[in-house]
Amino acid sequence: DAGVIQSPRHEVTEMGQEVTLRCKPISGHNSLFWYRQTMMRGLELLIYFNNNVPIDDSGMPEDRFSAKMPNASFSTLKIQPSEPRDSAVYFCASSQDRKDTQYFGPGTRLTVL
Amino acid sequence: AQSVTQPDIHITVSEGASLELRCNYSYGATPYLFWYVQSPGQGLQLLLKYFSGDTLVQGIKGFEAEFKRSQSSFNLRKPSVHWSDAAEYFCAVGKNSGGSNYKLTFGKGTLLTVNP
Repeated sequence: DAGVIQSPRHEVTEMGQEVTLRCKPISGHNSLFWYRQTMMRGLELLIYFNNNVPIDDSGMPEDRFSAKMPNASFSTLKIQPSEPRDSAVYFCASSQDRKDTQYFGPGTRLTVL
Repeated sequence: AQSVTQPDIHITVSEGASLELRCNYSYGATPYLFWYVQSPGQGLQLLLKYFSGDTLVQGIKGFEAEFKRSQSSFNLRKPSVHWSDAAEYFCAVGKNSGGSNYKLTFGKGTLLTVNP
């Protein structure tokens, strides 16, 4: 089975531009997570979806960040406008149920100049 | 709130030597515990997990971990390290009940270097 798929793998953009990160969870999984990884703060949960519904977005840093899950097989994380401090690796993970093992995608390395 | 401490930021071992990576957690009840490994430029791969039952857990790639409730620890061990084990290792704790039982809290990670 294919694992969690993320695109793009690398993104370089200029400050002020809109950035959209994409995620395809493992088929049959009903929970989806977006994380951000930085040297300073480690791995942080940004938002959690269950059955396509956002349950916990308390980790979203500010209004510039938004996430959607229009169906069970696709989710996006959007940053608009992007800032240099948003530079990080963004991971998507999915699990079969809310407290089951989370399986991570390869991540998107975002650089905002 | 739960928390995880990985006291060692960086560990260097020789190939063939034994390995123990430390993990201490803070949580009011019996937690779910995980070890993940991250190779450079890759996502996190699950090594092993503890939900309940036997406190000695076997994982992939020859790793094992032991849950010690009295010490609030979940240390990762391997009897003989291979050069391919060089990576960053993350311990994580989750809640086994309650409304936020989906939430994993990760440690800051331990970077493992393996000398030939």
